Amino acid sequence: DQQVKQNSPSLSVQEGRISILNCDYTNSMFDYFLWYKKYPAEGPTFLISISSIKDKNEDGRFTVFLNKSAKHLSLHIVPSQPGDSAVYFCAASAVNRDDKIIFGKGTRLHILP
Amino acid sequence: ETGVTQSPTHLIKTRGQQVTLRCSSQSGHNTVSWYQQALGQGPQFIFQYYREEENGRGNFPPRFSGLQFPNYSSELNVNALELDDSALYLCASSLRGALYEQYFGPGTRLTVT
Repeated sequence: DQQVKQNSPSLSVQEGRISILNCDYTNSMFDYFLWYKKYPAEGPTFLISISSIKDKNEDGRFTVFLNKSAKHLSLHIVPSQPGDSAVYFCAASAVNRDDKIIFGKGTRLHILP
Repeated sequence: ETGVTQSPTHLIKTRGQQVTLRCSSQSGHNTVSWYQQALGQGPQFIFQYYREEENGRGNFPPRFSGLQFPNYSSELNVNALELDDSALYLCASSLRGALYEQYFGPGTRLTVT
């Protein structure tokens, strides 16, 4: 049972344009969400997070939006740069229940020149 | 400041054998989590260690066990290896209470034949 779903295995975006990565979740107990970025032969790197009490969090070129009623979040990257080409994992946790972080399968982002 | 390191980088074992993977935490971090990432999947939480004790476990059988040492480094042991254990094993360190900003190592690629 996939509690965190990233339905797009890959995404290609032109350099300079906006990249939008989507994520859906099924567990209504999740109250903290994270995005990680992973390059080949490296471990995932924490990118940005959002608590369920917010609907938006911004950090430089990266913005995460949370729609609790739809159980949906998205990561926006503006403008997209070649170094953004990587696999992006959406992850979620129920802070008050346990420390387990549940990851999605990831979306491979290709930034085209 | 030293990052999270893991050894070995790659490993090939035969079904039924036992394996030990090692992880050195980032300096100052007291919590270590282990994840299994199968091909095409996101990382799956195996367990977490804090102050040398297991502090949360995912849906993995008892043949997956671990240790954390006084210097916060950690080991993951897997007994009676099965073909499905072939995966990338990631460890991540963090400060207790800052679990959501975990720093991942590059992983150990285990192949079971």
